[in-house]
Amino acid sequence: EIVLTQSPGTLSLSPGERATLSCRASQSVNSSYLAWYQQKPGQAPRLLIYAASSRATGIPDRFSGSGSGTDFTLTISRLEPEDFAVYYCQQYGSSPPFGGGTKVEIK
Amino acid sequence: EVQLKDSGGGLVQPGGSLRLSCAASGFTFSSYAMSWVRQAPGKGLEWVSSISGSGGTTYYAGSVKGRFTISRDNSKNTLYLQMNSLRAEDTAVYYCAKWPLVDYWGQGTLVTVSS
Repeated sequence: EIVLTQSPGTLSLSPGERATLSCRASQSVNSSYLAWYQQKPGQAPRLLIYAASSRATGIPDRFSGSGSGTDFTLTISRLEPEDFAVYYCQQYGSSPPFGGGTKVEIK
Repeated sequence: EVQLKDSGGGLVQPGGSLRLSCAASGFTFSSYAMSWVRQAPGKGLEWVSSISGSGGTTYYAGSVKGRFTISRDNSKNTLYLQMNSLRAEDTAVYYCAKWPLVDYWGQGTLVTVSS
C-alpha cells in the first residue's frame, strides 16, 4: 500500500501570505491520480486540484498544484479569509487514498 | 445539476445495525464507481468501501470488512451501505462520493454508536 503523509499538520499564517502544503507518498504515485481537497467545518470536502496540477471547475487561480513521483505540493499564492480550512491530498489509484490533512489556520 | 443525498444515519447501540442510503441525480449513475468515506469527530477522511458502476466488484477497508456491505440499485440511482456489528469506533459522518476522483460528495449523515 502507498501511504500519503501531509505536512505540516497545522500551518499558521495571515491573510495575504503564501501557503505551501506538502503531500509525500511512501512510493511513487502516478501524478495523473493525485488530487487535493479543501474542507471547511461542517461541510463536505471540495475538489480543488486533480491530476496533480489541474484546477477543478470554479477554483480560483491562487490555488496551484505541482509535483511528481513521491512529492506533491499545494500552493495558495495569497491567502483569502475563506481559504482557512483543512486540506487533504488523495491518490485515486490505490488504497488508502487520503493523507492525514493539513489545517491552515489564521495566525 | 449533480446531487448526492445521504440519509439513514442515527444513534445505534454497539452491536447494532444501520443502513445508509445515497440518492444520486444529475449524472449517469451506472457509469460511475461510488464509495463511502467517513470522518470521525475531529479526525481526517477515511475511505470505507467502493463499488463498481455495475455493482459487480466491491472493495472494503480492513476496519469494516466482514461487517459492512456496499451495494447499489442502478434502477433507483441509489447507493447503500449496510452496517452490522457496529462499534463505538464506527462513529462518524459518512459521505457518499462519486469515485475515484471525488468531484461530487453527499452532504454527509452522522452515525453515532453508543449505549
